[in-house]
Amino acid sequence: AQKVTQAQTEISVVEKEDVTLDCVYETRDTTYYLFWYKQPPSGELVFLIRRNSFDEQNEISGRYSWNFQKSTSSFNFTITASQVVDSAVYFCALDNQGGKLIFGQGTELSVKP
Amino acid sequence: DGGITQSPKYLFRKEGQNVTLSCEQNLNHDAMYWYRQDPGQGLRLIYYSQIVNDFQKGDIAEGYSVSREKKESFPLTVTSAQKNPTAFYLCASLGLADEGRKFFGPGTRLTVL
Repeated sequence: AQKVTQAQTEISVVEKEDVTLDCVYETRDTTYYLFWYKQPPSGELVFLIRRNSFDEQNEISGRYSWNFQKSTSSFNFTITASQVVDSAVYFCALDNQGGKLIFGQGTELSVKP
Repeated sequence: DGGITQSPKYLFRKEGQNVTLSCEQNLNHDAMYWYRQDPGQGLRLIYYSQIVNDFQKGDIAEGYSVSREKKESFPLTVTSAQKNPTAFYLCASLGLADEGRKFFGPGTRLTVL
């Protein structure tokens, strides 16, 4: 069975704090993709990152960074020096290349000024 | 601009009425998907289509129907058999070269009164 778990339902931080959103996944496949999407209040899903299961290198994009560890089946997302505009719901998702993207429950991040 | 459009943004219907949600893409993608999102939950797959004139049920297909007569269009009908139709509906598409990255439309928020 495939599953994505985002244990943090809501996180609240003050602007400029660093925050990490956790994602743990389950799959028996050896080839898969992991994703993070951002959903602002408007509702549209914004693509943040895709990670191939064979590439465990961590990635940094501006204030965003991702830590992929196959040994613990985790794909955590860190926002450094958070800003109010980062407030949104963030989804982690798994795709085994069958096209059926499996989403976690989402983490609602609130960044207060 | 290439993208996915969903209309309308907000839709109200009376209980017992069928309603059709529109999804159009001009990305020349073969695969298209419909997801449902309920408050505080992740997205769940309703139906998907990997090629014109073919579609498969997702995890929560009961009470829904789709058609795929054209590559660009994948309308979703919410029938009166759907017991809890009020939700946010997101359409997505996927191209062969996109390595699993789906493109999402802006969504339609359906409220059944």
